[in-house]
Amino acid sequence: GQNIDQPTEMTATEGAIVQINCTYQTSGFNGLFWYQQHAGEAPTFLSYNVLDGLEEKGRFSSFLSRSKGYSYLLLKELQMKDSASYLCAVRDSNYQLIWGAGTKLIIKP
Amino acid sequence: IAGITQAPTSQILAAGRRMTLRCTQDMRHNAMYWYRQDLGLGLRLIHYSNTAGTTGKGEVPDGYSVSRANTDDFPLTLASAVPSQTSVYFCASSDAGGGTDTQYFGPGTRLTVL
Repeated sequence: GQNIDQPTEMTATEGAIVQINCTYQTSGFNGLFWYQQHAGEAPTFLSYNVLDGLEEKGRFSSFLSRSKGYSYLLLKELQMKDSASYLCAVRDSNYQLIWGAGTKLIIKP
Repeated sequence: IAGITQAPTSQILAAGRRMTLRCTQDMRHNAMYWYRQDLGLGLRLIHYSNTAGTTGKGEVPDGYSVSRANTDDFPLTLASAVPSQTSVYFCASSDAGGGTDTQYFGPGTRLTVL
């Protein structure tokens, strides 16, 4: 079966750095996505990785290791508005997205 | 319209009733998708359409039907609603075949079936 694993919940302090991990087992791999979802709102696109390595976009970075079936999302200089759920999704061999259940990130002052 | 719109925003429905959730996009994306999101679970694909005139089944299609008569609209119909269809429904679209094929989501419809 196909599986995406992420921690259910994480807590971090405003101004700090947090790393959210995602491991996957899918039938094929055609890219990995990270989305942010605030409570009661739609998911919004954050990043895309298809090759190994780090993609940096402002305060957010995403890393991929295809051989390990592993990705992480790194959030720097945390702000209160970063309190949200972060969703990891992998595009499989059928070009469908398989979604993790999401990681709820709580930011404390 | 900018992006994707969904209607209604929320709905309470009696079991056994028929319901259509509407989705419209103005980005001229060729692919569209319907997902449901339930607590503790990832987004699950119900149906998708790679281009106008074609549709396909996702992971959880039973009890749902879709049509894609044109590029912009992708309605989802529950023929006879059941309580297990209580969920938040998201419509998404993407420019399939164009770069990363990133999916962009509508605001969602919160559906309660009693």
